[in-house]
Amino acid sequence: QVQLQQWGAGLLKPSETLSLHCVVYGGSFSGYYWSWIRQSPVKGLEWIGEINHSGSTNYNPSLKSRVTISVDTSRRHFSLRVSSVTAADTAVYYCARAPISSDYYMDVWGKGTTVTVSS
Amino acid sequence: EIVLTQSPGTLSLSPGKSATLSCRASQSVSSNSLAWYQQKPGQAPRLLIYGASSRATGIPDRFSGSGSGTDFTLTISRLEPEDFAVYYCQQYGSSIFTFGPGTKVDIK
Repeated sequence: QVQLQQWGAGLLKPSETLSLHCVVYGGSFSGYYWSWIRQSPVKGLEWIGEINHSGSTNYNPSLKSRVTISVDTSRRHFSLRVSSVTAADTAVYYCARAPISSDYYMDVWGKGTTVTVSS
Repeated sequence: EIVLTQSPGTLSLSPGKSATLSCRASQSVSSNSLAWYQQKPGQAPRLLIYGASSRATGIPDRFSGSGSGTDFTLTISRLEPEDFAVYYCQQYGSSIFTFGPGTKVDIK
């Protein structure tokens, strides 16, 4: 059974950099895109971006200038960095798996990490 | 960016009844990029339907998806107590995923 375990700092000050990590247990690491999604009461579910095992990325244009997603295939690990955070970045952040197939969906999700940005 | 609108915002029903949830896209969406998720409080979204009508692994057959173009529907027949939750539709287009605002199904 595939599981995604995520972790990272939960409390940040404005202008700091958000850093979250997700490790994949079980299943294949290649053959998928690995995504980050966030959820807030204001914006709902918002897809941040994705990366595959070879490091190819896609980002949401609304966040692209501040976001970096990286991967370490040998450790089955991928990470998210969001620079210059503000209160608007306060949300629950999820990592998720998206099969590389003819259909587009995310079938396995991490449990979520609550990130609060406050001075 | 394709915008998804879901209706109704809240659906109040009794167990055993059927629920019909709507997802409308601002422009035509390929069926292979339309999915539905269920989310309960404090939990991550759970994939129910992908490709507009294919059930994900382990999803009961009381959940069904249909539609094409700009109009998609999730139907839950015979609501069970564990089905009361928030449901989101999702589409993939122009290399980004977007989600609808959700429909809450609560107990009447």
